[in-house]
Amino acid sequence: SQQGEEDPQALSIQEGENATMNCSYKTSINNLQWYRQNSGRGLVHLILIRSNEREKHSGRLRVTLDTSKKSSSLLITASRAADTASYFCATDKGYSTLTFGKGTMLLVSP
Amino acid sequence: EPEVTQTPSHQVTQMGQEVILRCVPISNHLYFYWYRQILGQKVEFLVSFYNNEISEKSEIFDDQFSVERPDGSNFTLKIRSTKLEDSAMYFCASRAGNTGELFFGEGSRLTVL
Repeated sequence: SQQGEEDPQALSIQEGENATMNCSYKTSINNLQWYRQNSGRGLVHLILIRSNEREKHSGRLRVTLDTSKKSSSLLITASRAADTASYFCATDKGYSTLTFGKGTMLLVSP
Repeated sequence: EPEVTQTPSHQVTQMGQEVILRCVPISNHLYFYWYRQILGQKVEFLVSFYNNEISEKSEIFDDQFSVERPDGSNFTLKIRSTKLEDSAMYFCASRAGNTGELFFGEGSRLTVL
């Protein structure tokens, strides 16, 4: 299975701190994507990193990808209470469906 | 901004009843998907659809499930005879190509009693 597996399962931090979530997968990929899900809502795409990229930034988000270790990390800097959500990584072979991990539930306290 | 819309937002049904969940994907997208998420659990792939046919399906997508694009805009998921374990949030998603960002709807919550 190429399913992404995130850790930690849950993360609780204070506003202003950084949050780091990790994702591991098992097979080769075309790209890896991170999504956010507020409770009871649909998933929203955050960022995509291609297999030939090592790092990507978007606003307060920083994603890294290590294809040799088959792992990725999502860093949210200077977190806000509004960042409270579940975060999922998804692996994309490029010609097939996205496969999602179990997610990390992030709680940011004011 | 274009979005994927899903109806109904919540449906309650009796076990054994048929359910149809409807989705309107983004208009210029060609690839369509159904995922489901049992409360608090992972997002599970059900089926992908392209060029008016199923391109991939998971083990969950058994004979009780079917998909259809009846009129060029709607994309429907039918569950023929619902079971208790079908209770979940069902998400429709679409994308322009066979790779890249997926756009999700807000989901249809199905409760089977």
